[in-house]
Amino acid sequence: AQKITQTQPGMFVQEKEAVTLDCTYDTSDQSYGLFWYKQPSSGEMIFLIYQGSYDEQNATEGRYSLNFQKARKSANLVISASQLGDSAMYFCAMREVWGGSQGNLIFGKGTKLSVKP
Amino acid sequence: NAGVTQTPKFRILKIGQSMTLQCAQDMNHNYMYWYRQDPGMGLKLIYYSVGAGITDKGEVPNGYNVSRSTTEDFPLRLELAAPSQTSVYFCASRWTEQMNSPLHFGNGTRLTVT
Repeated sequence: AQKITQTQPGMFVQEKEAVTLDCTYDTSDQSYGLFWYKQPSSGEMIFLIYQGSYDEQNATEGRYSLNFQKARKSANLVISASQLGDSAMYFCAMREVWGGSQGNLIFGKGTKLSVKP
Repeated sequence: NAGVTQTPKFRILKIGQSMTLQCAQDMNHNYMYWYRQDPGMGLKLIYYSVGAGITDKGEVPNGYNVSRSTTEDFPLRLELAAPSQTSVYFCASRWTEQMNSPLHFGNGTRLTVT
């Protein structure tokens, strides 16, 4: 069964510094997709970045980049130049490929990031 | 463009009561999902739909029912509410079956059963 593990329940980072949020995954599929979502205190889920298992380049979206290490089964999110507005819960998720739940995402438990001024 | 709209935002139910959580999307997405998020946990799939008239169970369907009579609407019904159903509920939709197609979420419904 597919599984996502986020080992950091909470992290602190100084404003303007970079931070890495860890995500490891477990799957026997060759084709899979990995997503990161941000959940601010207001509660909504905001899509940040996507990485496909066959993508040769690490994904980047503005200040967000994904450090994808396929052999280690890790997909860490890197946030550069942290801002106070980055304080939120961050969820790593994997797309289910096979099985009945068409396009369902398997979520990790999340990491709470706090940015200090 | 409203995206995915959930109502209500908050609700308190007594044990044994019933209610329907509404979800509507205006993006013409075929794929729709209901998740619940318990404190300190990720999201777990309750039910999903791949199109009007087609629904199926996810990981935690017990105590819930859904229907999908139109592409736009995907209501979640709670029958005989129990304290274990206290949670935040998210509705989401997806445009295509393509791997890189992200889920678009509503803002959630916070439900308390006492």
